[in-house]
Amino acid sequence: DVKVTQSSRYLVKRTGEKVFLECVQDMDHENMFWYRQDPGLGLRLIYFSYDVKMKEKGDIPEGYSVSREKKERFSLILESASTNQTSMYLCASGSFPEGPLYYEQYFGPGTRLTVT
Amino acid sequence: RKEVEQDPGPFNVPEGATVAFNCTYSNSASQSFFWYRQDCRKEPKLLMSVYSSGNEDGRFTAQLNRASQYISLLIRDSKLSDSATYLCVIIMDSNYQLIWGAGTKLIIKP
Repeated sequence: DVKVTQSSRYLVKRTGEKVFLECVQDMDHENMFWYRQDPGLGLRLIYFSYDVKMKEKGDIPEGYSVSREKKERFSLILESASTNQTSMYLCASGSFPEGPLYYEQYFGPGTRLTVT
Repeated sequence: RKEVEQDPGPFNVPEGATVAFNCTYSNSASQSFFWYRQDCRKEPKLLMSVYSSGNEDGRFTAQLNRASQYISLLIRDSKLSDSATYLCVIIMDSNYQLIWGAGTKLIIKP
């Protein structure tokens, strides 16, 4: 059973703090993703990674950075948290061994981050 | 225009009824299509893929209309447990980019 775990379910941070969100998957997936999800806006891609030490910007990378030192772990970093980064953060992983038609993306349970 | 659009709803439907909703897309390039389900305060999970010929899984039927550029999800004999947000996602065959819709909220009422 595929598992994607995230370090925290709920997090409260102050403006200006550095925030680390950790994600670990146990299925040896090459691809890992960080999204944020806000009401009415759906899932928005922040960053993704197709391999260890590799990262690509998504649609809304500003104010975020990522790290992928090991295949199973993908970290999201908020260098200086701001109130507009209050959101639900979802990590996901997946692989394409047979192409996109058979792809399945597995999500972690999410971290609800509140920045005050 | 957004690349993938969904009616946000909510669709309020009595238990036992049939409900259908669509997801329209703007890019006509080759791509694969999927429906995900997201329960309240939970993560999205794959519901079903959408094949060119259409496909059925129990009470759920997914169809693709390439000419009009939309996919649809039909739920028959709806159950209270079908209440959720249904997300469509498109994967571009050229670069495996995932493009998500914002979701349609479905509420099944007793």
